[in-house]
Order: sequence, then structure tokens, then C-alpha cells
Amino acid sequence: QVQLQESGPGLVKTSETLSLTCTVSGGSMSYYYWSWIRQPPGKGLEWLGHIYYSGSTNYNPSLKSRVTLSVDTSKNQIALNLTSVTAADTAVYYCARTREGYNWSTGSYWYFELWGRGALVSVSS
Amino acid sequence: SFELTQPPSVSVSPGQTASITCSGDRLGNKYVSWYQQKSGQSPVLVIYQDGKRPSGIPERFSGSNSGNTATLTISGTQAMDEGDYYCQAWDSSTGVFGGGTKLTVL
Repeated sequence: QVQLQESGPGLVKTSETLSLTCTVSGGSMSYYYWSWIRQPPGKGLEWLGHIYYSGSTNYNPSLKSRVTLSVDTSKNQIALNLTSVTAADTAVYYCARTREGYNWSTGSYWYFELWGRGALVSVSS
Repeated sequence: SFELTQPPSVSVSPGQTASITCSGDRLGNKYVSWYQQKSGQSPVLVIYQDGKRPSGIPERFSGSNSGNTATLTISGTQAMDEGDYYCQAWDSSTGVFGGGTKLTVL
């Protein structure tokens, strides 16, 4: 079955760039959206953004200037870059396979149907 | 900005019905998803499009959404249902999660 695995450095220094990769195994990336969601220790979930397999993106406005997502379908990977990190960016970062639906009242919506196991990233000076 | 509000905690006895609410401005006009997160695990989708269950999710999980409130209902709650539950919706193509509700089965 399809599995998602996040990978990357577990420790990033303050003001540097956090970079993570999500590798998709057991299935195709085509015709899906792929999201990044994070969870600070002991806290709730925060959506960071999503990317369609073709490369179009949508970011959370609260982080928009710092977040970049990219996709490499030849490697079955989605990448997350978060710049100028602070201690507040310490979190478990999840990638999730995402489906799109349509609501006649409000337009497109998405839901996160399959999640990776997450990667803990700590930010420290 | 659009916000979703959940009660921090809900308790239920085994075999009883648990209801977890999620409130937001005109939430009934949006589709809501619900995610279950057990201790130390990744979230799992249990309800999408207000009331649809993904394959593999037990029938005891159901959802509704009207007015300003969406509700996740777990009928015949089991000990394995204990965990944190998050509602989620979209506002102007921005994903928003509720703060989460800790469900205790005691």
C-alpha cells in the first residue's frame, strides 16, 4: 500500500532554512495534492501548504513568505523549505496525500486522506 | 481570520455516545473533515465532506454540519477510540484546524 516517509535534519539552527523531503512509495503521485502539516510538541495541527503533482501550490498566508513546496515526480518526492526559522518552528512535520473536492457554495476543498509518520525538527541556536 | 473552536476535552463511558463539536462562522456552508490522533501516532482521517467515512473507518463514526456547528458522533464508544480529535475546514483556500478535543473513555 501507499506509504509516506518524511526525512531530513532533526536539528536546525535559528535563522537558517528547514528542509524536509517526503518520499511516496507504493503508488503514483499523479492526480493528487500533497500537503505539509506541522504539530508543535503538545499542541495542535497547522496546515502549511499543498502542491499538486503538476507543481501548482497554495500556501498558508501566515507563513507564505517563508514556505516553499516543490515536487519531483521522477523521484516520487515532495520537498518543504521553511526559511528564517525560530524556536516557534519546532514541531513534528507531516506530509499527507490530499484529495480535492468541490463545494458549490464555497468552491474547492481538500482533505488529508493519508499521513506520513512525521519528522520531528527542533530549532535551536 | 477564520477560526474553529472545539471543547478541550470530552469524556464518555464505554458503549455510550460521544459528541465532539466544532464551531465556526457559517461553518455549515463549508465541508468539514475530522481527524483522530492517538497518543504518539499520526492523525487519521475519520470523516470528510461533513459525514462521509473513508474505507476502513467503523460505522460508529458519523458527522454532521449545520449552521455554525459541525459535530463528530461516535456511537458505542470503545476504549480504542480514546485520543485527540481535530476538525478541519477551508476558508478562502486556507486550511484551518480546530484546537483539538481530547476524548477520554472511562
